[in-house]
Amino acid sequence: DVKVTQSSRYLVKRTGEKVFLECVQDMDHENMFWYRQDPGLGLRLIYFSYDVKMKEKGDIPEGYSVSREKKERFSLILESASTNQTSMYLCASSVGQSYGYTFGSGTRLTVV
Amino acid sequence: AQKITQTQPGMFVQEKEAVTLDCTYDTSDQSYGLFWYKQPSSGEMIFLIYQGSYDEQNATEGRYSLNFQKARKSANLVISASQLGDSAMYFCAMREGNQGGKLIFGQGTELSVKP
Repeated sequence: DVKVTQSSRYLVKRTGEKVFLECVQDMDHENMFWYRQDPGLGLRLIYFSYDVKMKEKGDIPEGYSVSREKKERFSLILESASTNQTSMYLCASSVGQSYGYTFGSGTRLTVV
Repeated sequence: AQKITQTQPGMFVQEKEAVTLDCTYDTSDQSYGLFWYKQPSSGEMIFLIYQGSYDEQNATEGRYSLNFQKARKSANLVISASQLGDSAMYFCAMREGNQGGKLIFGQGTELSVKP
């Protein structure tokens, strides 16, 4: 069964900490995406990547960075966590020849 | 810029009845794709149905159908014969351009099915 795996289901971090959210897919997908989900706002795109070492800003990149050193792994980095980054974070992947997208189960991050 | 709008934050439907969830979109692209996802309380995103911008027929998948009105830029989801297990958040999403590209999501509609 194909999968997108997010390393943590729940995470609690302190303000100012550097936070890494990891996402790994086992489908050899070229494209990977990071979203954050907030009530009433839906899913908003933070960053995405169409290839290894490639990254593009989404709609809300401020306060975030990403790393894609290997095809299967796409990391979201909060350089200095703030309380307004408390949210559900979802990773997804896709392949160019198909309309299918696979989502991870999400990481609920709380910044205190 | 592309945009997806879901104007119904919450909806109620009686079990076994049909329900329509609204979605309008805005794009200047000729080639795009429209998606509906279901998100139960467990948080997983479940793909329901897809409509390509060049597809002439409305997409159907079991009890789900997509009412695609291109000129009005709407892509409403119709769920027939609602079941209690249909209670969830529903998201409309759009992909511009190439397959596999970034998805833009609407705000979501929370559907509650009453017994």
